[in-house]
Amino acid sequence: DTGVSQDPRHKITKRGQNVTFRCDPISEHNRLYWYRQTLGQGPEFLTYFQNEAQLEKSRLLSDRFSAERPKGSFSTLEIQRTEQGDSAMYLCASSLALAGAQFFGPGTRLTVL
Amino acid sequence: AQRVTQPEKLLSVFKGAPVELKCNYSYSGSPELFWYVQYSRQRLQLLLRHISRESIKGFTADLNKGETSFHLKKPFAQEEDSAMYYCALLGTGANSKLTFGKGITLSVRP
Repeated sequence: DTGVSQDPRHKITKRGQNVTFRCDPISEHNRLYWYRQTLGQGPEFLTYFQNEAQLEKSRLLSDRFSAERPKGSFSTLEIQRTEQGDSAMYLCASSLALAGAQFFGPGTRLTVL
Repeated sequence: AQRVTQPEKLLSVFKGAPVELKCNYSYSGSPELFWYVQYSRQRLQLLLRHISRESIKGFTADLNKGETSFHLKKPFAQEEDSAMYYCALLGTGANSKLTFGKGITLSVRP
């Protein structure tokens, strides 16, 4: 296991299109998190899962965003009807429950034209 | 609400000089504090956490609850320390999200 992986690493899309990103966490980690990072800012929390249950969602997560973790392993983040303001780096992280430290993937950079 | 403030955007020092990267936080409970580092073209990685009380790559950070600070220090900077550093806070209880500061770029000149 080489750590958290994300796919794709880069995505360019046109405004109005739908995009989906995938995250594979460290195998024994039961918590999975999504963050978004824009230029000059630290990562901002979007949502997290414990196993397959989505336990918290940020107000940043509009109804165009949906995340799933169907079998408690990998997760997908879908953005529908993308807008230019969605352009950002989308980061995934995983951790063991109650362990605190989160380990990050390389991110997916989304550019909406 | 939880908030992390990193008041400076850039710190530039010469090799061998001491480094202090400032971090202040706001949280009503007892948070857990972290420093993450991002080297050029690499992913965000955990540098250290306050409960471990470790020194990693010569860096240390002490949680000061009275001043609500968690400053990162290193007595002698190395060129390979040049990177982006983020301070982050993890709330307790059901709140599992990390709240990050805006980050600071450390540049260590030869």
